[in-house]
Amino acid sequence: AQKVTQAQTEISVVEKEDVTLDCVYETRDTTYYLFWYKQPPSGELVFLIRRNSFDEQNEISGRYSWNFQKSTSSFNFTITASQVVDSAVYFCALSDDSGNTPLVFGKGTRLSVIA
Amino acid sequence: GAGVSQTPSNKVTEKGKYVELRCDPISGHTALYWYRQSLGQGPEFLIYFQGTGAADDSGLPNDRFFAVRPEGSVSTLKIQRTERGDSAMYLCASSPSTGPGELFFGEGSRLTVL
Repeated sequence: AQKVTQAQTEISVVEKEDVTLDCVYETRDTTYYLFWYKQPPSGELVFLIRRNSFDEQNEISGRYSWNFQKSTSSFNFTITASQVVDSAVYFCALSDDSGNTPLVFGKGTRLSVIA
Repeated sequence: GAGVSQTPSNKVTEKGKYVELRCDPISGHTALYWYRQSLGQGPEFLIYFQGTGAADDSGLPNDRFFAVRPEGSVSTLKIQRTERGDSAMYLCASSPSTGPGELFFGEGSRLTVL
């Protein structure tokens, strides 16, 4: 069975600090996809990134970066120079490659960025 | 509209009543998903449609829950004989196709059963 664990329930940082959100996953599939979604106070989940299990290159998009390590089954998300607008709940999610298994989400990490 | 639309945004009902939650996906999206999110938890899968048919309803908690998508666009999640434990945010998402792609979520319908 697939499982996603986000051990950090809540994190609080001061603006401009860097912060890393952890995600550990379990799957028996050899091919799978990992995702991060952001859920701001409005409630609508917003897609941030999708990563294929064969692509272990780290990715950077502006202040966001993702570190995928297959050896430790982790897909961590770092926000550099955090801003108040980054305050939200962040979810890591996992799906297999078949398209027949729905996305499995972790419990989320609530990030509060204080000015 | 451009995004996924869910109505009502808030619904308060009494235990035992029947409730319908509506989802209007992004035009042209063939896949539609329903998730339920309780406070402090991640979204939990309920059911998804590919076109008009339910491709996977394994997440529906019991037979009080049912969903339809008769014309392959708008979907309605129906809950009979509501219980207090049904209180949650119900999220709808759509996607251009099934497969491990991006899901586009609506803002959800918050259901409170008194």
